[in-house]
Amino acid sequence: EVYLVQSGAEVKKSGELLKISCKGSGYIFSRYWIAWVRQMPGKGLEWMGIIYPDDSDTRYSPSFQGEVTISGDKTSSYAYLQWSSLKASDTATYYCARMTDQGLDVWGQGTTVSVSS
Amino acid sequence: EIVLTQSPATLSLSPGEGATLSCRASQSVTTKIAWYQQKPGEAPRLLIFDASVRATGIPARFRGSGSGTEFTLTINSLQSEDFGVYYCQHYNNWPPITFGQGTRLE
Repeated sequence: EVYLVQSGAEVKKSGELLKISCKGSGYIFSRYWIAWVRQMPGKGLEWMGIIYPDDSDTRYSPSFQGEVTISGDKTSSYAYLQWSSLKASDTATYYCARMTDQGLDVWGQGTTVSVSS
Repeated sequence: EIVLTQSPATLSLSPGEGATLSCRASQSVTTKIAWYQQKPGEAPRLLIFDASVRATGIPARFRGSGSGTEFTLTINSLQSEDFGVYYCQHYNNWPPITFGQGTRLE
């Protein structure tokens, strides 16, 4: 069975660095795009960006370009989302999801990030 | 960027009733629309892809329709587990990938 398992909840302070992870299993990780989606408290879903692990081709939403960095390691089946300097407004739940020609068919369980000022 | 507008924002119904949720795209996305269900504290779940194809394990009471700019998700005979928030999403000529703002079914 196909799974995406994300790293645990994080509690950080403004200005700190953070990298969260998403590990795929049950399929050939390098052959499918992995998307990152933000959900702020009580709000809807926002697409942040996407990576193709096989060649690390990465695309960003204009809203998140320059704000986060998406990376991947196909040898260990991980995708990552990182911030160099967190803001309080980064407080949200972040999901990774596998993108196919059938939409986002498999989702991670979400990583909650809480940032205090 | 293609904008998806969902209506209504909130739909208040009772178990056994039928639900009709709409999603309008600002320009044609052919049939590259997916629908997701999200329950509190859970990740979204894919219900429908390619506008009308049910994902694996999705009950037949969920039906998607539409093409171009107008799409509908119909849920027949609501069950208690169907209540939550529903999002449409397009994946035509992505990126970008965009979501509608959601419809809360309560």
